[in-house]
Amino acid sequence: NAGVTQTPKFRVLKTGQSMTLLCAQDMNHEYMYWYRQDPGMGLRLIHYSVGEGTTAKGEVPDGYNVSRLKKQNFLLGLESAAPSQTSVYFCASSYSGAGHNEQFFGPGTRLTVL
Amino acid sequence: GQSLEQPSEVTAVEGAIVQINCTYQTSGFYGLSWYQQHDGGAPTFLSYNGLDGLEETGRFSSFLSRSDSYGYLLLQELQMKDSASYFCAVRDRADDKIIFGKGTRLHILP
Repeated sequence: NAGVTQTPKFRVLKTGQSMTLLCAQDMNHEYMYWYRQDPGMGLRLIHYSVGEGTTAKGEVPDGYNVSRLKKQNFLLGLESAAPSQTSVYFCASSYSGAGHNEQFFGPGTRLTVL
Repeated sequence: GQSLEQPSEVTAVEGAIVQINCTYQTSGFYGLSWYQQHDGGAPTFLSYNGLDGLEETGRFSSFLSRSDSYGYLLLQELQMKDSASYFCAVRDRADDKIIFGKGTRLHILP
């Protein structure tokens, strides 16, 4: 049982390049989330999904796109990377329902945009 | 919208008790959660308060008062390994969006 995994762990991009971050979970969770974490800013929600085939915008969605084609995978795309997107990206998943509030986080992806 | 306020830093002595407060503005949420994050690591779940009152899990306790829009995390018998950042979070009833506070960095002195 691997929990939540993220690929890659580290990446350096040049401004304007594109990339996709992959999140996978093996806990059969309905909900999946993408966050970015910058010093002093806490965790800010980028996009999230409450089920296969559905996505929704979070607090800071601009410059990112997501897809949830399979229940276990949640992809985060950067179409044209900018230095402001340098950050640590965390994926998380959880069960659905009012009583299920524990999120399980992946190890993070450290992205640098030059 | 929703916002959560926490102190940015708290310092305490090993073996002591420390309380980390979280005040929030939100129209409707399921409950208040707390997470711990060590430097370089991922956040890990600590506790959840769905109802008003105190929840205890070992050395950690968490409290919620919806009427006061306030909650706190209480850490007892502090150990050096408790040096970390602590985040409060809520899940919106309307859209299941989860919002985190900016976090409180806990420094523990020997």
